[in-house]
Amino acid sequence: IAGITQAPTSQILAAGRRMTLRCTQDMRHNAMYWYRQDLGLGLRLIHYSNTAGTTGKGEVPDGYSVSRANTDDFPLTLASAVPSQTSVYFCASSEQGAAYEQYFGPGTRLTVT
Amino acid sequence: GQNIDQPTEMTATEGAIVQINCTYQTSGFNGLFWYQQHAGEAPTFLSYNVLDGLEEKGRFSSFLSRSKGYSYLLLKELQMKDSASYLCAVRDGDYKLSFGAGTTVTVRA
Repeated sequence: IAGITQAPTSQILAAGRRMTLRCTQDMRHNAMYWYRQDLGLGLRLIHYSNTAGTTGKGEVPDGYSVSRANTDDFPLTLASAVPSQTSVYFCASSEQGAAYEQYFGPGTRLTVT
Repeated sequence: GQNIDQPTEMTATEGAIVQINCTYQTSGFNGLFWYQQHAGEAPTFLSYNVLDGLEEKGRFSSFLSRSKGYSYLLLKELQMKDSASYLCAVRDGDYKLSFGAGTTVTVRA
């Protein structure tokens, strides 16, 4: 089934540990995105990539890094996790262009203790 | 920065109509999206408006007024499965999406 997959589904992580959230899409979309969703704040963009080999910073990039080595994969890394990074993380992808909607993965629920 | 406002919660009865308003102030405008998100699930696309007016898709309609920075999502003939959060999102001048905090709609029998 075409779409976006994320791994892990959920994770409990000790503060200070490094963690990579994985995202893979098979729709050959050029653009990919990482959001975090917190109660009362909605979805906030962390990082994005308009095409393989390029990345950009979103609204809340501090403490996170991304890479885009190929079209399909867009991992998000927390170098040294802090409790404020406890959130639900969604990866999304879309065709390039203003009219195209974003397709979201199932999300990763991350708890930093 | 972006400012997107929508009500936090709305409650309606099965079979009724509910209108969810969204006002926005963004740097540039390249379209407005509505997404539906059931609890514990990913957002899914509902509608897209870039020109003023009404777009109708079955029981769901979305309206846009660019001069007023205003949109609404109209849900008709409400069903229990429509209980969800509805997210208003604006694509800005850099083609990034900014989301409102979402409106939780509860449909009661």
